[in-house]
Amino acid sequence: EAGVTQFPSHSVIEKGQTVTLRCDPISGHDNLYWYRRVMGKEIKFLLHFVKESKQDESGMPNNRFLAERTGGTYSTLKVQPAELEDSGVYFCASSQRGSEQFFGPGTRLTVL
Amino acid sequence: SQQGEEDPQALSIQEGENATMNCSYKTSINNLQWYRQNSGRGLVHLILIRSNEREKHSGRLRVTLDTSKKSSSLLITASRAADTASYFCATSYTGNQFYFGTGTSLTVIP
Repeated sequence: EAGVTQFPSHSVIEKGQTVTLRCDPISGHDNLYWYRRVMGKEIKFLLHFVKESKQDESGMPNNRFLAERTGGTYSTLKVQPAELEDSGVYFCASSQRGSEQFFGPGTRLTVL
Repeated sequence: SQQGEEDPQALSIQEGENATMNCSYKTSINNLQWYRQNSGRGLVHLILIRSNEREKHSGRLRVTLDTSKKSSSLLITASRAADTASYFCATSYTGNQFYFGTGTSLTVIP
């Protein structure tokens, strides 16, 4: 069974540019989560999808971040415009209802 | 903050020794999970312990949970060089959103 995949693995952009991260959850997992780890700090929850609906987006830092999950399959997280403090590793996870979350390898975002 | 906090932040041991990491949290939980992250890779789920459980085992891993003290421990027995990684605890209150600590960096010296 394929795990959670994320693309790209690493992205380097300049301040003010736009970046879109993609997450493909495990097939059949309705729940999809985005997390972020800024260097040296804890992993923080960003938001949670149940199928295509945003269940909880309380962790989204500001309106420069936009997450979508059209069709309830893969999800994208867009940062526009990117700022220096957005640098970090963005993790995606998926789960079936009530089970453990399976994490992807993460996308390392570097904003210069 | 609802996040878990791991202790110690860094741990260095010799291969074959046991490694113990602790996690404390602040509010009531539904379950607590431990994850491992090898350098440059994703988080790997190790073990889940529910709030009504006190101890769970998985291979060389042993997790305890003390809800009265709001703490958990992860014990890795007979450590190997391949156990070198960062270990995170994650607490869940709703069964969905997880709160992570800053992690314990474990180095196992061959």
